[in-house]
Amino acid sequence: DAKTTQPPSMDCAEGRAANLPCNHSTISGNEYVYWYRQIHSQGPQYIIHGLKNNETNEMASLIITEDRKSSTLILPHATLRDTAVYYCIVRRRGNNRKLIWGLGTSLAVNP
Amino acid sequence: DAMVIQNPRYQVTQFGKPVTLSCSQTLNHNVMYWYQQKSSQAPKLLFHYYDKDFNNEADTPDNFQSRRPNTSFCFLDIRSPGLGDAAMYLCATSRGSRDSLSQETQYFGPGTRLLVL
Repeated sequence: DAKTTQPPSMDCAEGRAANLPCNHSTISGNEYVYWYRQIHSQGPQYIIHGLKNNETNEMASLIITEDRKSSTLILPHATLRDTAVYYCIVRRRGNNRKLIWGLGTSLAVNP
Repeated sequence: DAMVIQNPRYQVTQFGKPVTLSCSQTLNHNVMYWYQQKSSQAPKLLFHYYDKDFNNEADTPDNFQSRRPNTSFCFLDIRSPGLGDAAMYLCATSRGSRDSLSQETQYFGPGTRLLVL
């Protein structure tokens, strides 16, 4: 599975959009991009995933570049409760269920 | 609400004393996973069950075992805990399919933090 690189930490003002980048330059055509987040002392929470088209759900938007070598997770109106570690994961389509986790981005949303 | 439940949230054991961590789910998912997460690290997959089929990761120590008596429950047994096994243990589930085109989102429980004295 392709490796991902993310900035170790980011800050965002409450109410503003948080844009979290992820680089996955070695991604192959059958690999999806997943985003999870983990609030301190809790289990990881699924946010969104995509293959090549941009995706949006009630939590966030996922923008994948045309060459699929990078993506951005967008939290449109960050709140204090969005403070967490955000993991970008590339996962192969099919029977391989293993999620290859990077170190993630620690997002701090400030009042 | 349908969910993944882990009890207890905190478990203290003694060095070398066997310990069992529990996970149950109301999602009726056929795949269940156990992860180990040490401080400031990403979760590390130990093994998973696809239905009753057990799939061990190559680098999971023999000290770690698992049982899945039915769809809803899965247990993690640590036969002889060492100080290095102190960690958060996460259970997750997904709806698996033998169809190679399917994708599976994993849903996690809150975790059990294990302390080894």
